[in-house]
Amino acid sequence: EPEVTQTPSHQVTQMGQEVILRCVPISNHLYFYWYRQILGQKVEFLVSFYNNEISEKSEIFDDQFSVERPDGSNFTLKIRSTKLEDSAMYFCASSFARGSGGGELFFGEGSRLTVL
Amino acid sequence: DAKTTQPNSMESNEEEPVHLPCNHSTISGTDYIHWYRQLPSQGPEYVIHGLTSNVNNRMASLAIAEDRKSSTLILHRATLRDAAVYYCILRDAGGGADGLTFGKGTHLIIQP
Repeated sequence: EPEVTQTPSHQVTQMGQEVILRCVPISNHLYFYWYRQILGQKVEFLVSFYNNEISEKSEIFDDQFSVERPDGSNFTLKIRSTKLEDSAMYFCASSFARGSGGGELFFGEGSRLTVL
Repeated sequence: DAKTTQPNSMESNEEEPVHLPCNHSTISGTDYIHWYRQLPSQGPEYVIHGLTSNVNNRMASLAIAEDRKSSTLILHRATLRDAAVYYCILRDAGGGADGLTFGKGTHLIIQP
């Protein structure tokens, strides 16, 4: 069964460092998403991406964050200067169709980011 | 996305049916009802979704009230592997926000 894969599974970084989290969505999917989940808290939407541009973003997704689909297969989330509060599990998701009728999202296993 | 209300936790026995309720009294006519679940240390996983009619798939059934202000996710025969947090989410089909809005969900505990 096709799946969304994420790397690394765990990254430890120093505050102020740049981090790139990578995702390989399911191959025929068109819509891509990043979510995060701080330990013990809710899953929070960060950003959605379609046709090589951001289609929606939350208040969390400020100027420190960026997303890119550099080569048609990978989908990356970059955090420019990490803060302690960026420590969380980051989930990538993809979807073939938009909207609720066909909008089932497939999530990856997540990348755990620890900022020291 | 409109709000949903779910119990914080529920407990059931293995091999028995489980009915997980969700209230969504402010649902709009274009909102679909989605259910996802999150097993421990994993990403969320799609379970089922529907608009007005009851829906069945290999994982579960979704019963939607006639006025659509509530719904129930039914696991017909719970296993230990079904222990997870279950999220009821409304998603606008009319071109609304792309992102799913997760609440706190219902933590389902399965007793052997």
